Amino acid sequence: GAVVSQHPSRVICKSGTSVKIECRSLDFQATTMFWYRQFPKQSLMLMATSNEGSKATYEQGVEKDKFLINHASLTLSTLTVTSAHPEDSSFYICSAPGRPFMNTEAFFGQGTRLTVV
Amino acid sequence: DAKTTQPPSMDCAEGRAANLPCNHSTISGNEYVYWYRQIHSQGPQYIIHGLKNNETNEMASLIITEDRKSSTLILPHATLRDTAVYYCIVIEVTGNQFYFGTGTSLTVIP
Repeated sequence: GAVVSQHPSRVICKSGTSVKIECRSLDFQATTMFWYRQFPKQSLMLMATSNEGSKATYEQGVEKDKFLINHASLTLSTLTVTSAHPEDSSFYICSAPGRPFMNTEAFFGQGTRLTVV
Repeated sequence: DAKTTQPPSMDCAEGRAANLPCNHSTISGNEYVYWYRQIHSQGPQYIIHGLKNNETNEMASLIITEDRKSSTLILPHATLRDTAVYYCIVIEVTGNQFYFGTGTSLTVIP
């Protein structure tokens, strides 16, 4: 079946630096991808929708200048956490619909554990 | 998208059926019911989805009430590897952006 791959799976960075997380659809094209954040013992929270060839749309309360999203191709979306701080430490997950606009499942990446020290 | 309500936690004996309920009383006619699960520190895994008919696949069965206001996910023979948080989500066909609720933490007991 369709697979969504995230890289890296774990990253530790110093406070004030930026971190880039990649999300790839391996055997299908994704004009839209979604980014989620999950804090310990909490549910997944949708952060933003990544759109190929256009600007991402952000959920209320998510800082677009802090969480930069680039959907450069039909198989790759990147999330860059800029000037990371310890409170940005979280589990970041991307997803893509297998067949857009059809009643099919969305496929999720394996997640990226970000720790800011 | 419709809001869903699930019990926060459940236990199930290994080998027995696990029945996970979900209430979605405000579901609209074109919204599907999806079930995902998340094992600790992994991305969510798709289980099953349906519109109004009951559905079955190799992982589970989905029972949707006639009024579509609630559903039950059934894992017929729970194993220890089924211990996870199970999310019930209702969503229209378009968009595919999932808004997760708090889910049900299922613990399968040996």
